[in-house]
Amino acid sequence: GAVVSQHPSRVICKSGTSVKIECRSLDFQATTMFWYRQFPKQSLMLMATSNEGSKATYEQGVEKDKFLINHASLTLSTLTVTSAHPEDSSFYICSAWHSGAPYNEQFFGPGTRLTVL
Amino acid sequence: GENVEQHPSTLSVQEGDSAVIKCTYSDSASNYFPWYKQELGKRPQLIIDIRSNVGEKKDQRIAVTLNKTAKHFSLHITETQPEDSAVYFCAASRPGGGNKLVFGAGTILRVKS
Repeated sequence: GAVVSQHPSRVICKSGTSVKIECRSLDFQATTMFWYRQFPKQSLMLMATSNEGSKATYEQGVEKDKFLINHASLTLSTLTVTSAHPEDSSFYICSAWHSGAPYNEQFFGPGTRLTVL
Repeated sequence: GENVEQHPSTLSVQEGDSAVIKCTYSDSASNYFPWYKQELGKRPQLIIDIRSNVGEKKDQRIAVTLNKTAKHFSLHITETQPEDSAVYFCAASRPGGGNKLVFGAGTILRVKS
């Protein structure tokens, strides 16, 4: 299948610092990528839709000033967690929709485990 | 907006038995219904999906059925194996909006050998 990568896979930071997570579509272009957050033993909750060349669309209840999203190219979206706090500790997963043959589905990155001390 | 409910939250079956997981959705405009398998600490992997123009789809031991009138869809796994043990998520998507997915709460499937 198509490949979506994320970096870093794990990050531990101090409270109050900012953390940037990268999401790349390696073998296809993605005008739209998605960012999810998953707490332990819970489902994936969509945080925002990242649109190449324009502003991200945030889901209700997600602070856009805290979770900054930049989609500067057709293969890269970044999520920056600003002024991170322990409650931001979670598994962050990105995805990208591949609509070209032979696929027509969403591919997920491997996730980033964020721990805020 | 879309709301997807998934049942049961946990399911234990004996190896070789069948497993059924059910989901309901609220948005009648939704037209794409994928099922994902997620192992601990890993990314979700698509195992099967169905679009609203068909009522059933099968891939070896896995099948999905869709009832658009009732707005529910189900995952069927036959001849379960220990390696089927994982968390399964259903999801729904409507046209537009970049195909964003709304996920169910997940089902922990345990296959006992």
